[in-house]
Order: sequence, then structure tokens, then C-alpha cells
Amino acid sequence: AQTVTQSQPEMSVQEAETVTLSCTYDTSESDYYLFWYKQPPSRQMILVIRQEAYKQQNATENRFSVNFQKAAKSFSLKISDSQLGDAAMYFCAYRSGYNFNKFYFGSGTKLNVKP
Amino acid sequence: GAVVSQHPSWVICKSGTSVKIECRSLDFQATTMFWYRQFPKQSLMLMATSNEGSKATYEQGVEKDKFLINHASLTLSTLTVTSAHPEDSSFYICSATVGLAGYEQYFGPGTRLTVT
Repeated sequence: AQTVTQSQPEMSVQEAETVTLSCTYDTSESDYYLFWYKQPPSRQMILVIRQEAYKQQNATENRFSVNFQKAAKSFSLKISDSQLGDAAMYFCAYRSGYNFNKFYFGSGTKLNVKP
Repeated sequence: GAVVSQHPSWVICKSGTSVKIECRSLDFQATTMFWYRQFPKQSLMLMATSNEGSKATYEQGVEKDKFLINHASLTLSTLTVTSAHPEDSSFYICSATVGLAGYEQYFGPGTRLTVT
């Protein structure tokens, strides 16, 4: 089975600074999708960014970007110009490209943003 | 677009009773719906996956007779916790994907279940 590991239970960043959240995964599949989800205190899961494994270019969404290292099975999230509203739990997730019903979530990283 | 709702958002029930949680896709047809359980400060634990008109596929360790899932239509899935006990108290989240090869999951806002 695939596993997703987030080694940073909690991180802090100063407002307007940049922070990187780490995620590694283990898989033998060649086709898959990776995601970062944000869960604020409201507990509503929000998609932050998505990366297809077959794409070499790193995904970017405004202040959010990823560093996708396929060979190293690493998928980190960089948040630039951090804002107070970025404070939340962040989950890294893996979806199989062969069995679309299989999603795997990491344990999460709690991000604190200091004013 | 791609909004998923859950009802109720919070429910309190007495031990031994059953409670039903609804998950609806409001503006799309959900081929597959997922049910998760989340304990405080922990990740999401997948309980089961359901496709419209088919029996749900439960993850290992999840009691099928206790957590009844029905996916009656392409926009509605229900989770019924039967004979609830305090240890069933948790946050339950549903999600849905669009189409057979839908990429990401769209999540509902969750339901907090408290069993007294």
C-alpha cells in the first residue's frame, strides 16, 4: 500500500515570510496524483494545489507552489508571502492513477502564522 | 462549482440509538463518494467508498454492520451509525469525485457526532 509521510507535525512562520512544508510518499506506481489540502479551524477541507506525476513542471497557484521530485518521491509545498489566513492544518495526499478510489493522506502539518 | 454539503453539521445522540448523516453533491453528479473519520488533531481515516447503486467498499477494520452506507443517487450518500456508543463520537467527513477519472476530492464541511 502507498504511504504518505509528513515529518513536520507543526511549523511556524512570520507573516509575509516564506515557509516550506515537507511530504514524502512511497509507491511503486508510475501514474498518480499528489495534492495539498488545507484544513482551517472550520475543518472544511480545501484543495490548495494538485500535481500530476506525469508532469515535470511544478504546479503553482498564486502564492503556493510545489517542489515535485519524482525520483526522490518528495512533494513539498512552498507558501510565499504568508498571511494570517494561511494558518491551518495542511495535509499531503496521494491518489492512485490506477485505482481512483484510493486516496492516502499524510498525518498533517499544523502551520502557525505569527503577525 | 463542486460543492458538497453535509447534514447535520452537529448531532448529539444517546448511546444505543442510530443516527444518519447525509452527504449531497449540490452542483455535480458524484460518481464516487468517500466517508472519512477524523479524530482531534489527527488525519483523515478512510472508512468506505461508495459508488451510486453499488454496495460500499469498506476499509479494513471498519464494521460494515455498524456504519451503514447507502449511495442511492448520484447526488446523495448517507452514513448511518447504528447503535451508537460514546467511542463512535468523532468528526465525520464525506467527499466526492466528479466522473470516473476525477482528480481531486471535493469535501463536505463535516459532521460532529457526540454520543452521550
